[in-house]
Amino acid sequence: DADVTQTPRNRITKTGKRIMLECSQTKGHDRMYWYRQDPGLGLRLIYYSFDVKDINKGEISDGYSVSRQAQAKFSLSLESAIPNQTALYFCATSDFKGTSGANVLTFGAGSRLTVL
Amino acid sequence: RKEVEQDPGPFNVPEGATVAFNCTYSNSASQSFFWYRQDCRKEPKLLMSVYSSGNEDGRFTAQLNRASQYISLLIRDSKLSDSATYLCVVNTGTGKLIFGQGTTLQVKP
Repeated sequence: DADVTQTPRNRITKTGKRIMLECSQTKGHDRMYWYRQDPGLGLRLIYYSFDVKDINKGEISDGYSVSRQAQAKFSLSLESAIPNQTALYFCATSDFKGTSGANVLTFGAGSRLTVL
Repeated sequence: RKEVEQDPGPFNVPEGATVAFNCTYSNSASQSFFWYRQDCRKEPKLLMSVYSSGNEDGRFTAQLNRASQYISLLIRDSKLSDSATYLCVVNTGTGKLIFGQGTTLQVKP
């Protein structure tokens, strides 16, 4: 099984629908992240969480919300999807111990979302 | 100004060539730096961390210039399999990990 699992892998939905993307990890990492990727724009940070009680906005949080249900689970919601939220979404985890190896990201395989 | 910027390329080079990418960052408090590789819309994977004194891993050399706020990646003796998008990542000092837009490399026979 993958260390970081994203579901669904692909989703087509209509404008106005509520969508949830789920992420679970078996690495035991405290930190989890959601990114979106659009062609030519790299990965942009949506939200990140350093532990269950700590949620932070990233570069582009408008139109999104998140929930950290447990250390291992971090879900991303689009309350009312719109076409410009069509993108590839990645969940990632990292383990921070204050060492030089800190903050190395492990990614899920991605969730491709199409909003019609 | 974006927090982390890269030249998107594409860089088209022949096999065996040496190629270098730069990445600039705007936050002088940034603490740690990385290069990731991404193939064909798959998930990014860590290529190497970037240390203050510079570091090398086989054909790959990474350097950090704090005064000018940029990091670089040098690839020597390019292989066809090096064709990918290279992403620089910066920890801005608050734990946020920000990506550049990526530089596309195409190595041709």
